[in-house]
Amino acid sequence: QVHLAQSGAEVKKPGASVKLSCKASEYTFTNYAIHWVRQAPGQRLEWMGWINAGNGDTKYSQKFQARVTITKDTSASTAYMELGSLRSEDTAVYYCARDQVVGATVNDVFDYWGQGTLVTVSS
Amino acid sequence: DIVMTQSPDSLAVSLGERATINCKSSQSVLHSSNNKNYLAWYQQKPGQPPKLLIYWASTRESGVPDRFSGSGSGTDFTLTISSLQAEDVAVYYCQQYYNTPLTFGGGTRVQIK
Repeated sequence: QVHLAQSGAEVKKPGASVKLSCKASEYTFTNYAIHWVRQAPGQRLEWMGWINAGNGDTKYSQKFQARVTITKDTSASTAYMELGSLRSEDTAVYYCARDQVVGATVNDVFDYWGQGTLVTVSS
Repeated sequence: DIVMTQSPDSLAVSLGERATINCKSSQSVLHSSNNKNYLAWYQQKPGQPPKLLIYWASTRESGVPDRFSGSGSGTDFTLTISSLQAEDVAVYYCQQYYNTPLTFGGGTRVQIK
């Protein structure tokens, strides 16, 4: 069964950075893109970007372009999302999710999700 | 950005009755090249990540019960639960994948009456 295991909760101060991980198992990591989606309290789901785990191509939402970086470690079957210049509005649960389509094409539909990582930004 | 608007915000339905959720996009998500609607539906239960139910507006994901169905085209879409079960209590989201940024509706909370 496909599984995405995310790293534990984080508490950060405003202005800091956070780097979250998402370890994939039970499928070939390099065959699918990994997306990052966040959910702030009382807010709708918000897509941040994706990485093609095969060739490393990335695509980011313009909203986060200046301060987000999504990377991967193929040998560890793990994707990472780093968000900088944190502010209180970044307090949210951050999910990684697998793209539905195998191969180089990114379909932008999410068929498996991690359990989520709560990031709290507070002074 | 394409804005996704869901209605109602919440609804309460008796067990075994039909639940209908609407989703409207601010621009068409029907792609002329393949005549497909780039619209998905997800279910999120408390404390869990979302779960994919429907994609291409009406294609049910493998393993999803057939009481869940999607319909609509262009800018107006509907998710129908034909006979509500207790395990269907959740928040439901629509998502467009016609272009980036990918965007979601605000969610519809379904409860038992």
